Amino acid sequence: QKEVEQNSGPLSVPEGAIASLNCTYSDRGSQSFFWYRQYSGKSPELIMSIYSNGDKEDGRFTAQLNKASQYVSLLIRDSQPSDSATYLCAVLPSGGSYIPTFGRGTSLIVHP
Amino acid sequence: GAVVSQHPSRVICKSGTSVKIECRSLDFQATTMFWYRQFPKQSLMLMATSNEGSKATYEQGVEKDKFLINHASLTLSTLTVTSAHPEDSSFYICSAGTGGPEAFFGQGTRLTVV
Repeated sequence: QKEVEQNSGPLSVPEGAIASLNCTYSDRGSQSFFWYRQYSGKSPELIMSIYSNGDKEDGRFTAQLNKASQYVSLLIRDSQPSDSATYLCAVLPSGGSYIPTFGRGTSLIVHP
Repeated sequence: GAVVSQHPSRVICKSGTSVKIECRSLDFQATTMFWYRQFPKQSLMLMATSNEGSKATYEQGVEKDKFLINHASLTLSTLTVTSAHPEDSSFYICSAGTGGPEAFFGQGTRLTVV
């Protein structure tokens, strides 16, 4: 069974710091990886997708992918209290399916 | 990103009644739509995958006769919770794919069965 693992947290960081969220996956052949942000009581919102090894930056967000280590991370620079949410890692399995496997999510708290 | 609209956002119904939830892709044609359920402080649980014009594929343990899914067009999928019971109370979320790897979520529907 394909698995996506995340530390449930909560991860608490001070405002202005870098928040680092991590995710590991079991399917070595996976090619597509996503980070979603979910505020309490709301549905997930896609914030980053990454398909190649290395870093991908979008504003204050950087996704990092290391397929050899089966590891994907999300860095949030200059964290703001409004970044406080649960961050879900999602991985598409190998074989061409578009059905993602979600991790359980990491709760991030950014305190002023 | 693509816009997915889900309606209603909240619904309260009596035990034994049925509730229909709509999921629409507003600015793209969704070849595939996914239905999830999420309990408090839990992760998303995939219920079923629906493709336009064909029967939905249900995940193991999900009763297809209780959770009726219809994907009649490329922009609309519906989930009907039939004969709802209090244990069906949950947050139901749809997502839609554009044919590529990315999927976009609707706003979710908070169902409370009393």
